[in-house]
Amino acid sequence: GQQVMQIPQYQHVQEGEDFTTYCNSSTTLSNIQWYKQRPGGHPVFLIQLVKSGEVKKQKRLTFQFGEAKKNSSLHITATQTTDVGTYFCAGRLRSQGNLIFGKGTKLSVKP
Amino acid sequence: GAVVSQHPSWVICKSGTSVKIECRSLDFQATTMFWYRQFPKQSLMLMATSNEGSKATYEQGVEKDKFLINHASLTLSTLTVTSAHPEDSSFYICSALTRGGNYGYTFGSGTRLTVV
Repeated sequence: GQQVMQIPQYQHVQEGEDFTTYCNSSTTLSNIQWYKQRPGGHPVFLIQLVKSGEVKKQKRLTFQFGEAKKNSSLHITATQTTDVGTYFCAGRLRSQGNLIFGKGTKLSVKP
Repeated sequence: GAVVSQHPSWVICKSGTSVKIECRSLDFQATTMFWYRQFPKQSLMLMATSNEGSKATYEQGVEKDKFLINHASLTLSTLTVTSAHPEDSSFYICSALTRGGNYGYTFGSGTRLTVV
C-alpha cells in the first residue's frame, strides 16, 4: 500500500546544532502535515503544506514541500532541549483522504 | 483551541474482558473521528474511521468484531476492545479533524491499554 517514508529514525544532537528530518512518498501528495509527539504524549499538529515548493517557518522550524509534492522536510535551527520528541510527517493522497503517517524521527538533544 | 478529550488514560484489564475507550470533542462537532494504534517506538497506524450516525470504516487487517466503534453523536466516539488479549496491549489514540485555517487533526491524549 501507499507509504510515506521518513528518515532518519533517530537523531541525537548537541544543543545548538541543527536538525533535519525528511519524508518521501512514492506518489504525489495532496498535502502533507507535520506533528510533534513528546515522550509519553500525543501528537500535536504543527503545520500543513499544500502548495508545490511551499516553505513555511515557525520560529526556528522551517518546513518545505517539494516541487513534485512527493517529499517534505522539517529543519530545526539551533536545537533546544525543548525540541525533544518524535516528529511525524503525514501525507494525504487526496484533499480529504486519510492521513498516512511516516514512522517518525525521534530527536534527542544533549544539553 | 479545539480539544479532544480521551479517557481513560490508561487501563489494565484481564484477558477475555472488554474495554471501552471514549473520545469527546469538547468545543466543536466532529462528524468524523479517527482511531489509531501506536506500538512502542512506532508510528501511528490508522485502525478505523468513525462517522457519526453510520458504520465505521475499518482499515484492512483490523477486525471490526473485535474493535467495536460507535459514533452516536457529533461529539462522542467510542472504541471497545472486545475479548482483549495480551497482543491487544497498545497505545490507542483518537483524533478529529478541526476546521479552521490549519485543517490539522486534534488528537486525544491517548489510552494505554495493558492486557494481562
